[in-house]
Amino acid sequence: NAGVMQNPRHLVRRRGQEARLRCSPMKGHSHVYWYRQLPEEGLKFMVYLQKENIIDESGMPKERFSAEFPKEGPSILRIQQVVRGDSAAYFCASSSRGADTEAFFGQGTRLTVV
Amino acid sequence: AQSVTQLDSQVPVFEEAPVELRCNYSSSVSVYLFWYVQYPNQGLQLLLKYLSGSTLVKGINGFEAEFNKSQTSFHLRKPSVHISDTAEYFCAVSDRGGFKTIFGAGTRLFVKA
Repeated sequence: NAGVMQNPRHLVRRRGQEARLRCSPMKGHSHVYWYRQLPEEGLKFMVYLQKENIIDESGMPKERFSAEFPKEGPSILRIQQVVRGDSAAYFCASSSRGADTEAFFGQGTRLTVV
Repeated sequence: AQSVTQLDSQVPVFEEAPVELRCNYSSSVSVYLFWYVQYPNQGLQLLLKYLSGSTLVKGINGFEAEFNKSQTSFHLRKPSVHISDTAEYFCAVSDRGGFKTIFGAGTRLFVKA
């Protein structure tokens, strides 16, 4: 059973471009979470999704950031018109249920904006 | 809303010495508590979790943590560390019935020979 798969592992974008980060949850998991880790900081919650629904996006910046988890395919975190401050590691986690179950993390996508 | 404070950003310790990584949380509701470990360039891996029951929780790799409701703490301990325990450790809290897990800023554990 493959773990949570994130791709790409490393992504370099120029300022103003779009970044698309993909996350395939573990088989059988319908809950997906996205977190951002800035250097020397902990993980900051961004968004929680279930299939086709955004449950909690209270950690998402109001502009340029969006997330989806379609019925088929991976969850996508999209960042439009990237800026240098978007450079960070973005982690996806999945779980089979809600807050009382273990969340399994992917290895992250390291976004560098140049 | 919940919050998590990890009191030490870095903890250096010699191999085979005991270690305690401190974590305090605040919440107006009952919570679940977690400790995760992150090795360099890796995702997070669950060490242990407290959901209910015994306040002393044992996890993988010889780690344990104690839930102290009155002090709102969930400190992580290991009686004898190894070089391979060098990593970043994150304390996390989520409210029962909710789905958002809040993480602390992390504690970097350095184990020296």
